[in-house]
Amino acid sequence: GDSVTQMEGPVTLSEEAFLTINCTYTATGYPSLFWYVQYPGEGLQLLLKATKADDKGSNKGFEATYRKETTSFHLEKGSVQVSDSAVYFCALSKTSYDKVIFGPGTSLSVIP
Amino acid sequence: GAVVSQHPSRVICKSGTSVKIECRSLDFQATTMFWYRQFPKQSLMLMATSNEGSKATYEQGVEKDKFLINHASLTLSTLTVTSAHPEDSSFYICSALFGGNTIYFGEGSWLTVV
Repeated sequence: GDSVTQMEGPVTLSEEAFLTINCTYTATGYPSLFWYVQYPGEGLQLLLKATKADDKGSNKGFEATYRKETTSFHLEKGSVQVSDSAVYFCALSKTSYDKVIFGPGTSLSVIP
Repeated sequence: GAVVSQHPSRVICKSGTSVKIECRSLDFQATTMFWYRQFPKQSLMLMATSNEGSKATYEQGVEKDKFLINHASLTLSTLTVTSAHPEDSSFYICSALFGGNTIYFGEGSWLTVV
């Protein structure tokens, strides 16, 4: 079945460091891909998304490119801040209106 | 602001009792809502798909008699955890389908069964 794999944390970075969180997926067809973020004690927020191959989603300095050939959707940010500390979930959906399948989540801690 | 609201955000109940969690779509009608569960330090797992006016579709392994889902109106779906036990303690989060192509998540509800 469809699934999402992402690097497991926890990841600890110093402020202003470069961030990469790897994500790969298994699915038939052309799913939509998402990154969600969950700040401590809060619910889920959509961070960015891409709906077709080679699309780049971006928000708040974060970027991810939909790579069909490598079935990947890696999350990157050039300079992380302490406020970016959260759990990041890579996810897919077969259609825009279907259930969302989540990866295991990656915990990020950014230290000053 | 939030377009999907859950209530309560946190609830503590005694073992053996039932607890209801509400998921409301604000300013839009949602014929389809989804319920997820997240155990500590784990990912979110889909429990069921809730369709207005019909029975919910449960994922494999989810007890439908224990987790009752009612989608009685276009803006409200409820999840009732019946005869709750400590192992049901979890983070429950809903999402609602907007406009046929956008999904919004609620803020989630933390359930602790003591």
